[in-house]
Amino acid sequence: TQLLEQSPQFLSIQEGENLTVYCNSSSVFSSLQWYRQEPGEGPVLLVTVVTGGEVKKLKRLTFQFGDARKDSSLHITAAQPGDTGLYLCAGIPGNQFYFGTGTSLTVIP
Amino acid sequence: KAGVTQTPRYLIKTRGQQVTLSCSPISGHRSVSWYQQTPGQGLQFLFEYFSETQRNKGNFPGRFSGRQFSNSRSEMNVSTLELGDSALYLCASSLNPARGVNEQYFGPGTRLTVT
Repeated sequence: TQLLEQSPQFLSIQEGENLTVYCNSSSVFSSLQWYRQEPGEGPVLLVTVVTGGEVKKLKRLTFQFGDARKDSSLHITAAQPGDTGLYLCAGIPGNQFYFGTGTSLTVIP
Repeated sequence: KAGVTQTPRYLIKTRGQQVTLSCSPISGHRSVSWYQQTPGQGLQFLFEYFSETQRNKGNFPGRFSGRQFSNSRSEMNVSTLELGDSALYLCASSLNPARGVNEQYFGPGTRLTVT
């Protein structure tokens, strides 16, 4: 059983469409982070959410932290081919980082 | 500021051999963490070093070990390689995880293939 479950696992959409990726857990996190990883590279930090209910925007990406700090979502508006990659959520419930199961996004031109 | 560097980028070894991977963190970062990434298990935490001391350890067998030097550079070693050790090994550095939010910066990884 994974501590952080992401859904969907795979997503293939057309350019211009909107999408939402979910990151869920039964544990409470002091903060959650979202990363994007492209093939052959390491994950790159996109955002950190700290406060329950917090919403952060990064251009076309909107991140939300659940009120109970157990879940988070990533919404992409008008997806572009450059958004293609593996999206990972991550958090520290104790002393070490746990990463989510990942969502592989493909945006078709 | 230079990012996290890992060497080598690619490595092919045979079962039973041992391997050493190297990581140079961002200048000023004192924490280095190692992760194993596989298609089946995703990203899994191996261990974290801070100021030359192993501070946290994941659930991996003792064949996996690491160390950190006084300049914060880190190495990880895998002995008696098994086919299942084939993976992307990622190193991440952070400034001071004990203070506030821990933001990690990853290197490009070392792709290890065990045949």
